[in-house]
Amino acid sequence: AQRVTQPEKLLSVFKGAPVELKCNYSYSGSPELFWYVQYSRQRLQLLLRHISRESIKGFTADLNKGETSFHLKKPFAQEEDSAMYYCALGGNTPLVFGKGTRLSVIA
Amino acid sequence: GAGVSQSPSNKVTEKGKDVELRCDPISGHTALYWYRQSLGQGLEFLIYFQGNSAPDKSGLPSDRFSAERTGGSVSTLTIQRTQQEDSAVYLCASSLVGGEADTQYFGPGTRLTVL
Repeated sequence: AQRVTQPEKLLSVFKGAPVELKCNYSYSGSPELFWYVQYSRQRLQLLLRHISRESIKGFTADLNKGETSFHLKKPFAQEEDSAMYYCALGGNTPLVFGKGTRLSVIA
Repeated sequence: GAGVSQSPSNKVTEKGKDVELRCDPISGHTALYWYRQSLGQGLEFLIYFQGNSAPDKSGLPSDRFSAERTGGSVSTLTIQRTQQEDSAVYLCASSLVGGEADTQYFGPGTRLTVL
């Protein structure tokens, strides 16, 4: 069965500090991994997807099949990064989402 | 262009009443999804429509929940005999083709409160 685990419900970091939001998945096939973000009073939106190998708003995520992880990282957190982050697993529509991590960046 | 829209934005109802939630997907998107977002539970998949195929209803929590998609566009999620545990934000998303690599675009959600 597909499963996504985000172990941290809340992560607080100081502005300028590195941030890593953890995501582990369980899937027997070839996974497609995504990070979605929901800023305050805004709708849920795609942040990045592993197949694109892109950096969005300074965030990157590397798929590690050996560790079945897709952690989201940013070297220097900004206050505007404060939001709810969801890791999602594809490979068999529809997406399976984790329970989310709320990132709070403290000035 | 316009994104996914949902109505109403908020719905308060009494236990036992039926409710209908509406979703207007992005024009041209063939795939439509419904999710439920509860506090501390993340996003829970409910139902998925893809083109003219039979919908994937595997996420519907009980037979009180149903959904339809008319003309391959607008979708309505119906909850019959609502219970307090149905209180949540109901999100609709659409994507161009469907499939795991397809980006889903989300609506603003309908916040349902069952008293």
